[in-house]
Amino acid sequence: DGGITQSPKYLFRKEGQNVTLSCEQNLNHDAMYWYRQDPGQGLRLIYYSQIVNDFQKGDIAEGYSVSREKKESFPLTVTSAQKNPTAFYLCASRLAAGTDTQYFGPGTRLTVL
Amino acid sequence: AQSVTQLGSHVSVSEGALVLLRCNYSSSVPPYLFWYVQYPNQGLQLLLKYTSAATLVKGINGFEAEFKKSETSFHLTKPSAHMSDAAGYFCAVSESGGSNYKLTFGKGTLLTVNP
Repeated sequence: DGGITQSPKYLFRKEGQNVTLSCEQNLNHDAMYWYRQDPGQGLRLIYYSQIVNDFQKGDIAEGYSVSREKKESFPLTVTSAQKNPTAFYLCASRLAAGTDTQYFGPGTRLTVL
Repeated sequence: AQSVTQLGSHVSVSEGALVLLRCNYSSSVPPYLFWYVQYPNQGLQLLLKYTSAATLVKGINGFEAEFKKSETSFHLTKPSAHMSDAAGYFCAVSESGGSNYKLTFGKGTLLTVNP
């Protein structure tokens, strides 16, 4: 089945540790996105990438980093510089330039203890 | 800059009643508009989208939305609520003709359906 997978579904980390969230898609989509969701806040864009080896900051990039070495993979690292990392993280992808719809993965809930 | 306002963070209806979820947008260029649904602890699923074709858009699960440029609105409706419609609903806007199709989301509306 084609789709977007995010792992793990639940992640617990100690304060001060970096953690990497996985996002993989087998849809052959060019663009990929990372969002953060907090209760009552909607979704906010962290980073996005339209092609391999290129990515841009979104609205709340501070304390996060990404890489896009392969078309199908867009991992997100939550660094110790992120002041409040506990949240639900959603990855999305979009087919290509000229297409408008983003498709979402199931999400990873990160809890920092 | 674009923005989305969803009136009512929580809407409660009875099973069989009309569902109306409100969305107003702000965009400096003609917008693309989307409604997504989110069930607990899951990702977002596309319900429907407006991309400058017909102003009345039909989506999955019996939902539809009407684009009204004069009111800058894109409200979501369903004639008869079902228990399975209980979920979070998010309206989003992106700029048509843009190169990155970044979505700006509203804060969401939680729909409760009472038996």
